[in-house]
Amino acid sequence: GEDVEQSLFLSVREGDSSVINCTYTDSSSTYLYWYKQEPGAGLQLLTYIFSNMDMKQDQRLTVLLNKKDKHLSLRIADTQTGDSAIYFCAESISNFGNEKLTFGTGTRLTIIP
Amino acid sequence: EAQVTQNPRYLITVTGKKLTVTCSQNMNHEYMSWYRQDPGLGLRQIYYSMNVEVTDKGDVPEGYKVSRKEKRNFPLILESPSPNQTSLYFCASSLRQGITFFGQGTRLTVV
Repeated sequence: GEDVEQSLFLSVREGDSSVINCTYTDSSSTYLYWYKQEPGAGLQLLTYIFSNMDMKQDQRLTVLLNKKDKHLSLRIADTQTGDSAIYFCAESISNFGNEKLTFGTGTRLTIIP
Repeated sequence: EAQVTQNPRYLITVTGKKLTVTCSQNMNHEYMSWYRQDPGLGLRQIYYSMNVEVTDKGDVPEGYKVSRKEKRNFPLILESPSPNQTSLYFCASSLRQGITFFGQGTRLTVV
């Protein structure tokens, strides 16, 4: 079955690292994504990881994938006020041609000055 | 620039007045789909298309229609909008088993 879970809220002090966690249930996912949504805005593709990878680093962002535990995390180093947003974890499963994404409920990241 | 473009970005309409939200992608992607985002319910798939003239229902297709006459375009049609279709709509596209890109979103209000 498809289910993606995230905690709803995270507060972090400016300059610290933020770690947003996600668990998923479908082991046949091809890609796992992190999208960022700022208030009133669309979905910005932040980063993604292919399901056969363990880690991906892109500047301040580090994605870790533990396939055994079906756990995905996003670490944002040196968190800034501009990082305040809702972060969605999503998995894509190719099912008879339907490249459907299943999203978590989103984690609202708040930066404390 | 590779992108998915939706229009309009914002729309307020009245119950029963037919409307179309357009979606266009310039990446030659075979696969396109529509999602709606609602508070507490996350993003849910409405319809998808695997290629030209191939469309199928997603999880919440009631009240919507789509067409895929050309590869780049995938319009979402609401024949008779109702207030429960007030939502934020996203179009997405990808290659088969490729990375998914989203449009900027269309905020629809039906009064």
